Amino acid sequence: NAGVTQTPKFRILKIGQSMTLQCTQDMNHNYMYWYRQDPGMGLKLIYYSVGAGITDKGEVPNGYNVSRSTTEDFPLRLELAAPSQTSVYFCASSGTSGRAHEQYFGPGTRLTVT
Amino acid sequence: GQQLNQSPQSMFIQEGEDVSMNCTSSSIFNTWLWYKQDPGEGPVLLIALYKAGELTSNGRLTAQFGITRKDSFLNISASIPSDVGIYFCAGRRGGNQFYFGTGTSLTVIP
Repeated sequence: NAGVTQTPKFRILKIGQSMTLQCTQDMNHNYMYWYRQDPGMGLKLIYYSVGAGITDKGEVPNGYNVSRSTTEDFPLRLELAAPSQTSVYFCASSGTSGRAHEQYFGPGTRLTVT
Repeated sequence: GQQLNQSPQSMFIQEGEDVSMNCTSSSIFNTWLWYKQDPGEGPVLLIALYKAGELTSNGRLTAQFGITRKDSFLNISASIPSDVGIYFCAGRRGGNQFYFGTGTSLTVIP
């Protein structure tokens, strides 16, 4: 039981390039989230999903896209990378029964855009 | 966006001392979560709180959901070196969005 896994761990992009950050969970959680964490700051929600085929914007969605075709996977897409997107990106998931809002996080992807 | 004020920003304490930190908001929250983050890792859930006034423990950690529903507190008793890290609070007003505080950095001096 791996929990939440993210790939890659590190990535350097040039301005204008695109990439997809991968996130997979094996806990059969319906809810999944993408956050970004800037140095010395808390996490800010980019997008979230309440189930396969359903996604919604969080606090800072501009410049990102997501899709949720399966329960397990929730990839985050950057289409035209900008220096302002340099950050650490965390994926999280949570269940829908019992203590549903307890989010479990992956190890993060450190992205630098130059 | 929603602002959660977390204090203190950083703490330097001797091993064995107790630690207190808090998180305040201008809005009412329905859920409070406390996380610990080690360098280079994702946050790890410590305690979840669901009702105003709730007091919950996890080993040496105790957290409380403030009765005004606008604040939460985390205490660590008898600190040890492995308590070092950044502690984050997160609150949920309703729906599926959590808002995170800016963190309290804890250093434990052996």
